[in-house]
Parts: sequence; C-alpha cells; structure tokens
Amino acid sequence: EIVMTQSPVTLSVSPGERATLSCRASQSISTNLAWYQQKPGQPPRLLFYGASTRATGIPARFSGSGSGTEFTLTISSLQSEDFAVYYCQQYKSWLFTVGQGTRLEIK
Amino acid sequence: EVQLVESGGGLVKPGGSLRLSCVASGFAFSDYTMFWVRQAPGKGLEWVSCISSSSSYSYNADSVKGRFIISRDNAKNSLYLQMNSLRAEDTAVYYCARPTTFSPYSGSDYWGQGTLVTVSS
Repeated sequence: EIVMTQSPVTLSVSPGERATLSCRASQSISTNLAWYQQKPGQPPRLLFYGASTRATGIPARFSGSGSGTEFTLTISSLQSEDFAVYYCQQYKSWLFTVGQGTRLEIK
Repeated sequence: EVQLVESGGGLVKPGGSLRLSCVASGFAFSDYTMFWVRQAPGKGLEWVSCISSSSSYSYNADSVKGRFIISRDNAKNSLYLQMNSLRAEDTAVYYCARPTTFSPYSGSDYWGQGTLVTVSS
C-alpha cells in the first residue's frame, strides 16, 4: 500500500497571502496524483489530477506541481472561500490512498 | 448535468447488513468505472470499492474485503454496495464517485452528496 503523507496538518494564513501545501508518497507514483478541497458538510471537490492538470472551473490562483514522491499545491492569493481541508490522493495503483489532510485556516 | 444520488444509509446494529444505492444521470454511466468512498466522522477519505464499467473486475479495500460487495446495473444507471457483517468502524458517510476518464486511474470529478451509515447497538 502506498502511504500518502501531507504537511502541515494545519496551516494558518491570512487572506491575500500565499499558501503552500505538501504531499509525499511512500514510493514513486509518477504524476498519478489528485488534489481535493472539502468544506464541512460537502463532498470533496476535485482541484487537480495528473498532479498539475486543473479540473473544470478551478480558478487560476490554484496550481499543482510535482512528480515521483513530492507534490505541492499552491494557492497564490487566498480568498475567503479557500479556507477548507485539502487532501491528496494517489491513483497509481489500487488501493487508492489519501493523505490525512491539511486544514487551511484563517490567520 | 451530471448527478449522483446515494440512498440506503441508516442506523444498523453490529453484525447487520445494509445495501447502498447510487443512481447516476447526465452521463454515459455504462462507460465509466465507479467508486465507493467513505469518510468516518471527523476523519479523512477512504476509497472502499471500485468496479469496472462492465463489471468485469472489482476491487475492495482490505478493511472491507469479504464483507462488502460492489455491483452495478448499467440498464438502471445504478451502483450498489452490499455491506454485511457491519462493524462500528464502518460508521461513515458513503459517497459514490466517478473518475474524470473511463479509466479508474484518474481523479474523481463527480461525487454524490453521500449517505450516512451508522453502526451502533
């Protein structure tokens, strides 16, 4: 099983500032990685797949990068609606596994 | 418009059974692999089961192997999860989800709103 580890667990950032979230895989997954945003009471929302391909409707302030075992989600200028929990998921091989999440909170 | 609507959740005693359903609309359901993903209260996401478009293969997480059975009826645009021998640790919101492509090896861009399963005596 591929273990996904996200850091930090909680990130406090002021609106308008940049946020950088990290995700590490226990073995190489090439670019078989997705990022999701989840708000309370809602299903996850796909942000990126293929590590850096933005999903439909995702604003350009979001960017995804990385390959192999190290991945980054960057939000260039935080808006109020961006404060949520973010998950990375690998789909290189079944069992698809997910990081524990990073909670992005308002500073 | 793509829609996934789950149903069938509820309160069940340990050792009991439950069958979840997910009705799909707005896309060619029979072309897509589909997933069940769950989320325990206050916890992260867990991919539970996967079934190919033609039901030729299915996969389950070790945590549910031998207890949960995923199936589908393409004529009814429906996905199912038969859950047997339920345990307290199966308590979660269960989502059905669709990948972005026909292959399962992609992110999931459409999700239902979820159905809550509570296992408790």
